[in-house]
Amino acid sequence: AQTVTQSQPEMSVQEAETVTLSCTYDTSENNYYLFWYKQPPSRQMILVIRQEAYKQQNATENRFSVNFQKAAKSFSLKISDSQLGDTAMYFCAFMNARGGADGLTFGKGTHLIIQP
Amino acid sequence: DTGVSQNPRHKITKRGQNVTFRCDPISEHNRLYWYRQTLGQGPEFLTYFQNEAQLEKSRLLSDRFSAERPKGSFSTLEIQRTEQGDSAMYLCASSSSGQGISPLHFGNGTRLTVT
Repeated sequence: AQTVTQSQPEMSVQEAETVTLSCTYDTSENNYYLFWYKQPPSRQMILVIRQEAYKQQNATENRFSVNFQKAAKSFSLKISDSQLGDTAMYFCAFMNARGGADGLTFGKGTHLIIQP
Repeated sequence: DTGVSQNPRHKITKRGQNVTFRCDPISEHNRLYWYRQTLGQGPEFLTYFQNEAQLEKSRLLSDRFSAERPKGSFSTLEIQRTEQGDSAMYLCASSSSGQGISPLHFGNGTRLTVT
């Protein structure tokens, strides 16, 4: 079974700053996917960014980018030019590539607060 | 694409009562998942359907819980003889089984409060 660890329960930064959320995972799988999901106070989980484990290139989506270190089993999320609307819970998640029956394994989340 | 729809949004029930939640996935998605999320925690996997077949169940899913997806479209999650420990947000998600990554799309959830 895989586990996902997010060691930062809460982070707070000023608007326009850059923030990095950490995530480590443990798995014996070689092929898998990693995701960051955002859950604003409205509670709907929204996909932020995804990474295939077989790709060495780090994924980027506008202001969001990841630092994927497969050997270290680390998958951090960097948010550049942070905005008030980025305030939310952020969950790191793991999915094996065998067909999705296990669904996603989530970390406990990091509560990110963007201060005006 | 109208997204994943869950009903009701909120449910308050007394201990011992039965409750049923409904999930309507994105129409072309054949995979459907149920998760439970308690305050301050990440979602925990409960069960998974591919089309109408329930292929995976978590140990978290006690005998009081049952899920169905009769025609491979909408799904229901029933909790019998509710307990206070069942109070949580119940999330439904769907995805497709095509090639490559198929991220899960989540609904807004049903918040259950057992008094």
